[in-house]
Amino acid sequence: QVQLVQSGAEVKKPGASVKVSCKTSGYTFNLHWVRQAPGQGLEWMGIINPGSGGTIYAKKFQGRVTMTRDTSTSTVYMELSSLRSEDTAVYYCAREPAHDAWYFDYWGQGTLVTVSS
Amino acid sequence: EIVLTQSPGTLSLSPGERATLSCRASQTVTTSSLAWYQQKPGQAPRLLIYAASSRATGIRDRFSGSGSGTDFTLTISRLEPEDFAVYYCQQFDTSSKYTFGQGTKLEIK
Repeated sequence: QVQLVQSGAEVKKPGASVKVSCKTSGYTFNLHWVRQAPGQGLEWMGIINPGSGGTIYAKKFQGRVTMTRDTSTSTVYMELSSLRSEDTAVYYCAREPAHDAWYFDYWGQGTLVTVSS
Repeated sequence: EIVLTQSPGTLSLSPGERATLSCRASQTVTTSSLAWYQQKPGQAPRLLIYAASSRATGIRDRFSGSGSGTDFTLTISRLEPEDFAVYYCQQFDTSSKYTFGQGTKLEIK
């Protein structure tokens, strides 16, 4: 049974960092992060392979995002730094089930990050 | 970067009708990398279709996907009340990586 359980909502001030966790159960080949600003569409942020720790980040977020994993707890983390109001969004982790599957079949419940002074 | 444009932005239909949603790419998309998702308010997206035409596990056969190249379509043959939601297409390419369309809102007429 695949489950992705994310950490709770966060409120941060501009310029701060936020770290969101995604605890996985069941096999996960790759774990992606996707965000959704209020009333907006979906935006891909990057990918981490929990096995190797290898990452690829969307160009927009390079230099500001770091994805890591803790294999002992099957948890993946997404840290976003230098937060600004435009980063207010729901952040989702999502599973890619196999190499070159190119789709996301299981999603976490989402974590609302609010950036406000 | 490959841009996905979905149309219409909003589609107003009645239960029992057929819905046809379009996703057009700015460049040729690998068919195996085209997926469709459904999202309801306050929920995470749900995978409906992958590889352009393969239904995900548990998805009813009234949902079907088709297309190739730059034009893809999601068809819902007979709308049920629970089908009214926002639908997104998504693709992968080596340059853009993963991109989503802006979404089509399917609302009850």
